[in-house]
Amino acid sequence: AQSVTQLGSHVSVSEGALVLLRCNYSSSVPPYLFWYVQYPNQGLQLLLKYTSAATLVKGINGFEAEFKKSETSFHLTKPSAHMSDAAEYFCAVTGSGNTGKLIFGQGTTLQVKP
Amino acid sequence: DARVTQTPRHKVTEMGQEVTMRCQPILGHNTVFWYRQTMMQGLELLAYFRNRAPLDDSGMPKDRFSAEMPDATLATLKIQPSEPRDSAVYFCASGDTNQAYGYTFGSGTRLTVV
Repeated sequence: AQSVTQLGSHVSVSEGALVLLRCNYSSSVPPYLFWYVQYPNQGLQLLLKYTSAATLVKGINGFEAEFKKSETSFHLTKPSAHMSDAAEYFCAVTGSGNTGKLIFGQGTTLQVKP
Repeated sequence: DARVTQTPRHKVTEMGQEVTMRCQPILGHNTVFWYRQTMMQGLELLAYFRNRAPLDDSGMPKDRFSAEMPDATLATLKIQPSEPRDSAVYFCASGDTNQAYGYTFGSGTRLTVV
């Protein structure tokens, strides 16, 4: 079984500051991990994914995430926040077996202050 | 860009009425998910299909909800009878058998039951 915990339901940063959104996972099989972003009144958009290749994954809009098996973590970072990054971010996990069931964390709302 | 199409985008209905939400997955995708999003519960997996067959609908209230895929280009989620607690945004997502590619979400159906 898989599960995801996102630490911090709200994160606030100043424009230009580092963004760090935390995600820890639990999986009984080698996981595939994803970060999705949701802007107001829109669906979820895939930011980046880890699928057992490189542990440091780069995504769209300058975001990246590092898979750390020893810490069961997949934290999302961006060196410099932009006002347009304000949104809700979801971490998700699925097993690398053939189930395909995608399980989401509770989400983290990122606020960017001018 | 290929997209998942959901209709209607918004639906307001009276308690007790039947509601049908539709989803057109991306052509060639054989896995379809239905999620419900609320402030209190976040993103809940209701059901998912692979090659039109239901794989897991354990997240769906069986007494009033039903999900089907009449053909490869259409997935439906039906609520009968609807209740105010069903008010939420319902998302459809599609992907292929290799879940490493991630899943594409539709824009959602915002359901309000009064």
